[in-house]
Amino acid sequence: EAGVAQSPRYKIIEKRQSVAFWCNPISGHATLYWYQQILGQGPKLLIQFQNNGVVDDSQLPKDRFSAERLKGVDSTLKIQPAKLEDSAVYLCASSLDLGRGPNYGYTFGSGTRLTVV
Amino acid sequence: GNSVTQMEGPVTLSEEAFLTINCTYTATGYPSLFWYVQYPGEGLQLLLKATKADDKGSNKGFEATYRKETTSFHLEKGSVQVSDSAVYFCALSGYSTLTFGKGTMLLVSP
Repeated sequence: EAGVAQSPRYKIIEKRQSVAFWCNPISGHATLYWYQQILGQGPKLLIQFQNNGVVDDSQLPKDRFSAERLKGVDSTLKIQPAKLEDSAVYLCASSLDLGRGPNYGYTFGSGTRLTVV
Repeated sequence: GNSVTQMEGPVTLSEEAFLTINCTYTATGYPSLFWYVQYPGEGLQLLLKATKADDKGSNKGFEATYRKETTSFHLEKGSVQVSDSAVYFCALSGYSTLTFGKGTMLLVSP
């Protein structure tokens, strides 16, 4: 079974520029999550999708971050404009559905490491 | 709200030493508890889990017991190897999302 695919692996941008990350979940997984992992901290949930609908985006800084999952499969997370404090690893994860989350198989991608200079 | 507190690292051990990484949590209800491991340059991998009080999760020689009375889920291994060097995250689940601790780096020397 293919895992959760993310790209790019690394990205370096200047502050105030924009950037986008892509995630393709495990086939058949209805629920997709984006987490932000700042150096020295644990991952923090940014947004959660069920199919193409947003379930929880309460921790997403909506003035600069946006995310979509238009066809209910792959997803894009965008930052515009980027700030220095956005430097982090952005992790995508997927699970079968809302009711079968971490207890049933919650797979993380390798992440995209963003450096804002 | 939910929160997880882990001991700060790095934890530095010699090969074959005994490992304990402390984890305590605050949560409403009865969450499931997890340990994830992150090897350099890789994503998070589930190491073990426990879904109810007194459950013991185990995998690859690692163990952790869900202690409701002390709200703890300490990770232990009897004899660590160099290949165990990684960052270990304790986490708890809400309905479908995870709340993580800050992570503990483990460095094992030959």
